Amino acid sequence: DTGVSQDPRHKITKRGQNVTFRCDPISEHNRLYWYRQTLGQGPEFLTYFQNEAQLEKSRLLSDRFSAERPKGSFSTLEIQRTEQGDSAMYLCASSLGTAMNTEAFFGQGTRLTVV
Amino acid sequence: DAKTTQPNSMESNEEEPVHLPCNHSTISGTDYIHWYRQLPSQGPEYVIHGLTSNVNNRMASLAIAEDRKSSTLILHRATLRDAAVYYCILRVTRGNSGGSNYKLTFGKGTLLTVNP
Repeated sequence: DTGVSQDPRHKITKRGQNVTFRCDPISEHNRLYWYRQTLGQGPEFLTYFQNEAQLEKSRLLSDRFSAERPKGSFSTLEIQRTEQGDSAMYLCASSLGTAMNTEAFFGQGTRLTVV
Repeated sequence: DAKTTQPNSMESNEEEPVHLPCNHSTISGTDYIHWYRQLPSQGPEYVIHGLTSNVNNRMASLAIAEDRKSSTLILHRATLRDAAVYYCILRVTRGNSGGSNYKLTFGKGTLLTVNP
């Protein structure tokens, strides 16, 4: 297993365009998380899936953001009509089980630059 | 979310021990203390976690105060590869339906610089 994989690693887009990121979690992990990180800040929680069900969305996730995990495996995060404020690192993480003592495994992230 | 307080930055010399403090005075009895670190241009990486007792693993040790209001991450011999931002996080059991225990809430962490 190669860990959590994110694609692309870098994305530059023009303001107003739509972008989609993909995350492939560790294969047996049932939980998948999306975070956003801006320079100098810790990662901020965006949304969370247990299997294919999206169980929580942060207030940070505006209507322009949508995430899916159609078969409980890989996930996509789409941002419509991108704005310069969307420029950030988008991180995906996965974990197994529901216990409080489980660890989350993070991907290397997708760095989005909106110009 | 339960809050943690960490120093913004710390500095250490290579091959010396490093003690990274974290205050979490609002911790609840069932909240786990987790530590993650983030190397430059990488996603966060799990380091260690604990509930009440001190914990050791191959990466670090976690010392938890008796009242659990603070904890210390100990790197026994810092290397240049340990230079990173270290995050102290509480995984809380209370919250809305389904609980908040599934997400990690990161603060700004402590930027550790290791000098050669």
